[in-house]
Amino acid sequence: DAKTTQPTSMDCAEGRAANLPCNHSTISGNEYVYWYRQIHSQGPQYIIHGLKNNETNEMASLIITEDRKSSTLILPHATLRDTAVYYCIVRPYRGSNYKLTFGKGTLLTVNP
Amino acid sequence: GAGVSQSPRYKVAKRGRDVALRCDSISGHVTLYWYRQTLGQGSEVLTYSQSDAQRDKSGRPSGRFSAERPERSVSTLKIQRTEQGDSAVYLCASRDPGPNYGYTFGSGTRLTVV
Repeated sequence: DAKTTQPTSMDCAEGRAANLPCNHSTISGNEYVYWYRQIHSQGPQYIIHGLKNNETNEMASLIITEDRKSSTLILPHATLRDTAVYYCIVRPYRGSNYKLTFGKGTLLTVNP
Repeated sequence: GAGVSQSPRYKVAKRGRDVALRCDSISGHVTLYWYRQTLGQGSEVLTYSQSDAQRDKSGRPSGRFSAERPERSVSTLKIQRTEQGDSAVYLCASRDPGPNYGYTFGSGTRLTVV
């Protein structure tokens, strides 16, 4: 698996955009970037994934650099309920039994 | 149901006893994973099972952890001879066979070995 590096923690003001970076300099051509988050006492929740193009859904946007060595998850208008640990994971898109490997993630704290 | 549910939510076990944790996954999801999550060590995959396979495909640490599929959408994680180091949150995840290959997680079972 390509290894990812994320900051241990970040703070964001409520209503502002939260930009969470992730480095994955050893990513290979067939690996996608996935983002999950885990709110306290719950299981991880899927947010978004992408290969090389920027992606947007109802939860967030994913910006992947042209060389694919890093990416940024953007929560456009953070709310208090977005306080969670955010995990950046790289893995092949296909692979019948490929598991997700979680690192330590980034603890995002949204402040009122 | 629409999501993955795990039971019990909390479990206290005496060291040396066996425990069984249950996961009810989403109908149609073939592959189920069991993760162990601890504060200091993050998350690791313990085992996974496919389809109607009765036995797990991997074990970590080997021997004491196993997963069974008594029904297609039910998995049971069995931990034999529990140790204090087994205290953790155990998460079940089922994988969507569709094009997104998404994973849906349960809320976990918090196991405390005393």
